[in-house]
Amino acid sequence: GESVGLHLPTLSVQEGDNSIINCAYSNSASDYFIWYKQESGKGPQFIIDIRSNMDKRQGQRVTVLLNKTVKHLSLQIAATQPGDSAVYFCAENMSSGDKLTFGTGTRLAVRP
Amino acid sequence: KAGVTQTPRYLIKTRGQQVTLSCSPISGHRSVSWYQQTPGQGLQFLFEYFSETQRNKGNFPGRFSGRQFSNSRSEMNVSTLELGDSALYLCASSLEGGVEKLFFGSGTQLSVL
Repeated sequence: GESVGLHLPTLSVQEGDNSIINCAYSNSASDYFIWYKQESGKGPQFIIDIRSNMDKRQGQRVTVLLNKTVKHLSLQIAATQPGDSAVYFCAENMSSGDKLTFGTGTRLAVRP
Repeated sequence: KAGVTQTPRYLIKTRGQQVTLSCSPISGHRSVSWYQQTPGQGLQFLFEYFSETQRNKGNFPGRFSGRQFSNSRSEMNVSTLELGDSALYLCASSLEGGVEKLFFGSGTQLSVL
């Protein structure tokens, strides 16, 4: 949306390079994590998820890594394309709750 | 299959007024959640409705309320608007609730003057 991202950290990458977006989550009791992509004027779009019993999960051109020891999540995008330009959010969920807690977001800018 | 539809897309109100936002979930989805998105606070959970019942509520004042109809469509209402209520309000639907397989709409951008 238009109000998103005025004060977000920005990652600038060259088209074709790999991108790594990091996220520190807050609750050690969280057991489910999701990465969302939000393009300008749109709502968040699901990219990939991971449960706490895993430390890595791969999708198409994306990989999510989970380090529970330091409460850290990362999203790796291979061969970054201009269409990957967006704001990326991590979100966490505790099994006892039905709501997501979102991170602050990172803007990914892809240079042609 | 149509996605989550939110209306209106943009809204301008003045302080003290009230506003109603509408959300039509994906056909067959019974759960609707609402989130507020601002540059300062990011995305924050407002509430979730399932089969016309509020199942979960975030940490927002009572000025924020919602409801869900028998066809799963949902509305949220904000009364006595404040400048800080200016935000993008996002609706998300899922088949049976919870946070998996959430599909978001494009939101309603509310500006309070």
